[in-house]
Amino acid sequence: NAGVTQTPKFQVLKTGQSMTLQCAQDMNHNSMYWYRQDPGMGLRLIYYSASEGTTDKGEVPNGYNVSRLNKREFSLRLESAAPSQTSVYFCASSLSPGQGIFGQGTRLTVV
Amino acid sequence: RKEVEQDPGPFNVPEGATVAFNCTYSNSASQSFFWYRQDCRKEPKLLMSVYSSGNEDGRFTAQLNRASQYISLLIRDSKLSDSATYLCVVRDTGRRALTFGSGTRLQVQP
Repeated sequence: NAGVTQTPKFQVLKTGQSMTLQCAQDMNHNSMYWYRQDPGMGLRLIYYSASEGTTDKGEVPNGYNVSRLNKREFSLRLESAAPSQTSVYFCASSLSPGQGIFGQGTRLTVV
Repeated sequence: RKEVEQDPGPFNVPEGATVAFNCTYSNSASQSFFWYRQDCRKEPKLLMSVYSSGNEDGRFTAQLNRASQYISLLIRDSKLSDSATYLCVVRDTGRRALTFGSGTRLQVQP
């Protein structure tokens, strides 16, 4: 099925470990986004990419890096995980601003 | 002050009821407005865009009041399947990304 695919769906990390969250879309969208969702906070933008090879910081970029190596894929990397990064992470893509299609999310726990 | 504010609820309503949610936004330059729906432990999905003239999609009606900077969503004849969290979403002029409210939870009861 066409859409946005995120891997993994669940992950537990120890403080200080690193990991990369993968996201791929097959809708030929230019724009891709990474959000995190915490209880009572709504979704907050971490990074976004308006097109292949470009990335921009969002509202909460500290502690994260991203890579947009091609049009399909947009990865999010945690270099040294902290308990404050325990969250649900959503990747999204869009053809036009606002019409975001979201992946199923990655539930990350940092202990 | 949050950029997009919503009453978190929960709104508990019986089947068949009409329920309305409001949302306020702080940036008067905001350009585009949406309602998303999020089921428990699932991803958000676009429910409908919100236009200045108001718009309707079946049982759902969305309205925008730019002067007062609020957006509303009206659900008529509530179904059990409408139980979800409804997210008010705004896109500001010149920004590609969206700003999300924290959501209003709706529980429709039999």
